[in-house]
Amino acid sequence: EAQVTQNPRYLITVTGKKLTVTCSQNMNHEYMSWYRQDPGLGLRQIYYSMNVEVTDKGDVPEGYKVSRKEKRNFPLILESPSPNQTSLYFCASRQDRGSTGGDEQFFGPGTRLTVL
Amino acid sequence: AQKITQTQPGMFVQEKEAVTLDCTYDTSDPSYGLFWYKQPSSGEMIFLIYQGSYDQQNATEGRYSLNFQKARKSANLVISASQLGDSAMYFCAMRGRGGRRALTFGSGTRLQVQP
Repeated sequence: EAQVTQNPRYLITVTGKKLTVTCSQNMNHEYMSWYRQDPGLGLRQIYYSMNVEVTDKGDVPEGYKVSRKEKRNFPLILESPSPNQTSLYFCASRQDRGSTGGDEQFFGPGTRLTVL
Repeated sequence: AQKITQTQPGMFVQEKEAVTLDCTYDTSDPSYGLFWYKQPSSGEMIFLIYQGSYDQQNATEGRYSLNFQKARKSANLVISASQLGDSAMYFCAMRGRGGRRALTFGSGTRLQVQP
């Protein structure tokens, strides 16, 4: 089954304690990205990656890091989480054909993070 | 820069009736794509429908259709014959050709279908 998986699904942590949210896709997609969802703001892109070892900032990258060492994995790292990073996080992947074609973006199930 | 505006924070509709969810957009890209996603209370994002800016006909997928009016920069989602299971948050999004080709989302509309 084609899917994007994320772990953990739920996480409560404290300010300053480093954490990693994993993301993996089994569709051989080049393009992967992370979004955060906050009430009234929709989803906003944090970081994206067009291929292995190619990553770049999205709209709200502050306080986050990513890496893309393998095509299938794209972890999100919070080195020193703060309460304003409490949010619902989505990993997503799609084929990137360099067009605006309807390449369906597959979303993971989401990770609900609370930083106390 | 791209922007998506959804002006209806919440909508109610009676079961079996049709409902239109509004979406307007702004972009300087001559070529772009418009998407609608559904987010039920369980939280996952479900792709519903896609419209390309150069598509001549409005997109349809089952009970979903996209009323695309390019000159007005609107891309409204029409759900026909609403069902209780349609109760969810709905997001309009767009992707341009240039740059990082990220999806830009609106703030969403919460639809509640009443029996």
